[in-house]
Amino acid sequence: GAGVSQSPSNKVTEKGKDVELRCDPISGHTALYWYRQSLGQGLEFLIYFQGNSAPDKSGLPSDRFSAERTGGSVSTLTIQRTQQEDSAVYLCASRPGKVAYNSPLHFGNGTRLTVT
Amino acid sequence: RKEVEQDPGPFNVPEGATVAFNCTYSNSASQSFFWYRQDCRKEPKLLMSVYSSGNEDGRFTAQLNRASQYISLLIRDSKLSDSATYLCVVNAPYGGATNKLIFGTGTLLAVQP
Repeated sequence: GAGVSQSPSNKVTEKGKDVELRCDPISGHTALYWYRQSLGQGLEFLIYFQGNSAPDKSGLPSDRFSAERTGGSVSTLTIQRTQQEDSAVYLCASRPGKVAYNSPLHFGNGTRLTVT
Repeated sequence: RKEVEQDPGPFNVPEGATVAFNCTYSNSASQSFFWYRQDCRKEPKLLMSVYSSGNEDGRFTAQLNRASQYISLLIRDSKLSDSATYLCVVNAPYGGATNKLIFGTGTLLAVQP
């Protein structure tokens, strides 16, 4: 079946511009996660959704970052006024959520963001 | 203290060696534990979940020590194809929600011929 789909796969933007990253999770997965990974670094937790609500937004690096999820499905991560330090791979993952807390994460291929 | 800590390595081992990775976590209320594998420039993929009694999958054995708040991964008879970064993942209950999953920074394993 279809896995987690992210778009675009690559995005190059100028400093100061806004960008929107999209994640389409596996159908039926209620939990959706955003992480970012800078070159050679680990995965940094940004936010997760249970359905359409985000119980924990503490990982968002600044108020330039926001995320939403509608219809319990697609999620968008928006970065306003991008800075060079925002350059990273943004990974989205989903899992069934309430079904079993031991269920694994399924990752998309990521969006590689480069801010010039 | 970081929520999840791992030795970054690299661990350079010859083929056939046994290698062990440890990971410590700070939240005593954590309930879910996983090991993921990440190949260079790829997304992470689940290697195995870690259960309270410990579990084994072929050459891989995972252990959980709740008292000391660490989990371990043992790889026996290392193969060249085991070369990757191994990520420890722990859930971090927050405000009643239990689905927040935190990744360690990963341990790099390089298996040499």
